[in-house]
Amino acid sequence: SAVISQKPSRDICQRGTSLTIQCQVDSQVTMMFWYRQQPGQSLTLIATANQGSEATYESGFVIDKFPISRPNLTFSTLTVSNMSPEDSSIYLCSVDITGRNEQFFGPGTRLTVL
Amino acid sequence: AQSVAQPEDQVNVAEGNPLTVKCTYSVSGNPYLFWYVQYPNRGLQFLLKYITGDNLVKGSYGFEAEFNKSQTSFHLKKPSALVSDSALYFCAVRDRGDNFNKFYFGSGTKLNVKP
Repeated sequence: SAVISQKPSRDICQRGTSLTIQCQVDSQVTMMFWYRQQPGQSLTLIATANQGSEATYESGFVIDKFPISRPNLTFSTLTVSNMSPEDSSIYLCSVDITGRNEQFFGPGTRLTVL
Repeated sequence: AQSVAQPEDQVNVAEGNPLTVKCTYSVSGNPYLFWYVQYPNRGLQFLLKYITGDNLVKGSYGFEAEFNKSQTSFHLKKPSALVSDSALYFCAVRDRGDNFNKFYFGSGTKLNVKP
């Protein structure tokens, strides 16, 4: 399995500001994923982040709002830009372990936008 | 398009009784199917998966799930529920085709196990 950490674990932010969430994995992985879980909702995939290439965004998510970095095989960041209260969610990163056919999830970052 | 349905928002069961959390799916081709559990203020934890082979899959914490191709279902079961099983459960399907890396999650079912 993989051990995944996220920083911060939670934050309360003001409207119009930006927050960068970090995801660190204890092993090298090719693919990392960012999900959003709005209150009482299921998980929605925001984007897939491969090392060395641009992130691939799902319908309804754009790079200007959710820029992603993937500088190496163990780390990724997701920025939530120009935040509004509608961005209040749990943001989760996950990784795909080759050969295991599973996704492992980080503990999540709980974001509240006032 | 792939989709997953969890028809029950909430399941209530008494401790010691059997539990079932329902999941149905709609996929093109043969699916990879998963169950994840989310405890309060925690990320998702993998419970079990169906890839191929035996339709009855056993997973963590005494949970099991049965793949039923004719009914396109993958219900999660446990013979005897514990209070500590109370959590949010998500069924998920993975695309075997061009979108192999995408997981599609159901809406989640909150399991309440009462003493």
